[in-house]
Amino acid sequence: SYELTQPPSVSVSPGQTASITCSGDKLGDKYACWYQQKPGQSPVVVMYKDNKRPSGIPERFSGSNSGNTATLTISGTQAMDEATYYCQAWDSITAVFGGGTKLTVL
Amino acid sequence: QVQLVQSGTEVKKPGASVKVSCKASGYIFTSYDINWVRQAPGQGLEWMGWMNPNSGNTGYAQKFLGRVTMTRTTSISTAYMELRTLRFEDTAVYYCARARGGDDYWSGERYFYMDVWGKGTTVTVSS
Repeated sequence: SYELTQPPSVSVSPGQTASITCSGDKLGDKYACWYQQKPGQSPVVVMYKDNKRPSGIPERFSGSNSGNTATLTISGTQAMDEATYYCQAWDSITAVFGGGTKLTVL
Repeated sequence: QVQLVQSGTEVKKPGASVKVSCKASGYIFTSYDINWVRQAPGQGLEWMGWMNPNSGNTGYAQKFLGRVTMTRTTSISTAYMELRTLRFEDTAVYYCARARGGDDYWSGERYFYMDVWGKGTTVTVSS
């Protein structure tokens, strides 16, 4: 079965750039999306179709996907961005989530 | 506004079944797939399957084949997820989520994403 791998944690200082990676076999041939989940809340999509931001998502969020790795980049990270981020892609008609990356802003 | 309202907390014994509902409002129910995702305590998101509310077609994760059924009642814009033969490890928050997107015309790759989520239904399996 298809697998997506994320680092368990990433730390960033406020105002700096955070990059969260998601790796999978030939992931660049698929479309990746990203969800943000804060404790006790439902996930929120922050990126879809590799690099498309849904309405309401700040411009500091951007995405890319090439080769075996998709990347979510948060520029000028703010304290409110502290959350767990999940990547997700489709393997045929099956959705696959990465294990999640906890972003700490300190 | 667009929202998905899920049924309340459930406590079940091992071997029992649970049926979670997800009522859609603010959009045309039959126009978007509904996906079900669960999250065990302290764990990540796990996709369970999808259902097309218009056709009733479904697709399930291999892990749940034979144990899960996703259905709908279009007249009340409600989707259901039934999980049978519950085990302790089925203890989780179960989410329904609307999916939008499609299949890329050129590559055929799908780019569905879950843009609206319910608040989740806690299912506890305990003896």
